[in-house]
Amino acid sequence: DIQLTQSPSFLSASVGDRVTITCRASQGISSHLAWFQQKPGKAPKLLIYAASTLQSGVPSRFSGSGSGTEFTLTISSLQPEDFATYYCQQLNRFLSFTFGQGTRLEIK
Amino acid sequence: EVQLVESGGGLVQPGGSLRLSCAASGFTFSSYAMSWVRQAPGKGLEWVSSISGSGGTTYYADSVKGRFTISRDNSKNTVDVHVSSLRAVDTAVYYCARVYCAGDCFLDNWGQGTLVTVSS
Repeated sequence: DIQLTQSPSFLSASVGDRVTITCRASQGISSHLAWFQQKPGKAPKLLIYAASTLQSGVPSRFSGSGSGTEFTLTISSLQPEDFATYYCQQLNRFLSFTFGQGTRLEIK
Repeated sequence: EVQLVESGGGLVQPGGSLRLSCAASGFTFSSYAMSWVRQAPGKGLEWVSSISGSGGTTYYADSVKGRFTISRDNSKNTVDVHVSSLRAVDTAVYYCARVYCAGDCFLDNWGQGTLVTVSS
């Protein structure tokens, strides 16, 4: 199965900062990547799918890019509600899914 | 509005079993595959199992194969997972999620989760 590796695992930033999280796939996956946000005690929330398509209702400060093996999630100007853990996800064969290990974004 | 509501979690002894259920509403249930994803305390997300819209095809993570059984009832809009031979490492919040496929597949809606604790 394809493995996903996120970097960094932990990120400290301030409100208003621009931050980028990277997700690397162990082999090429075209643009088949999604990003999720998870806050403590809550279910994951879909932010981006197909590497760069913003899910309905997600603020435009979130953006995704990449294809093949390297992908990025960018938050253009951090808001207080953005401090959370972020996961990338891709579809393996036969409706099985792989997640990255997560990136925890905390307030500096 | 898509809604997914899990139930059935609880405290169970090692070797025991539970049936987790997810009630779906707000969409044509039989048109979508469904998945279960779990999250151990303080850990990341781990896909557990998926089932096709018809229920005819099922998929499992190696870590649960032979111990977990996913099923669905399209007349009741529910998807269940029977978890058996439970181990301490199965302690987690279990989420059900809808699988959305349009050229690619991803988990677009999630329930709030149900906690399974395996302990003596």
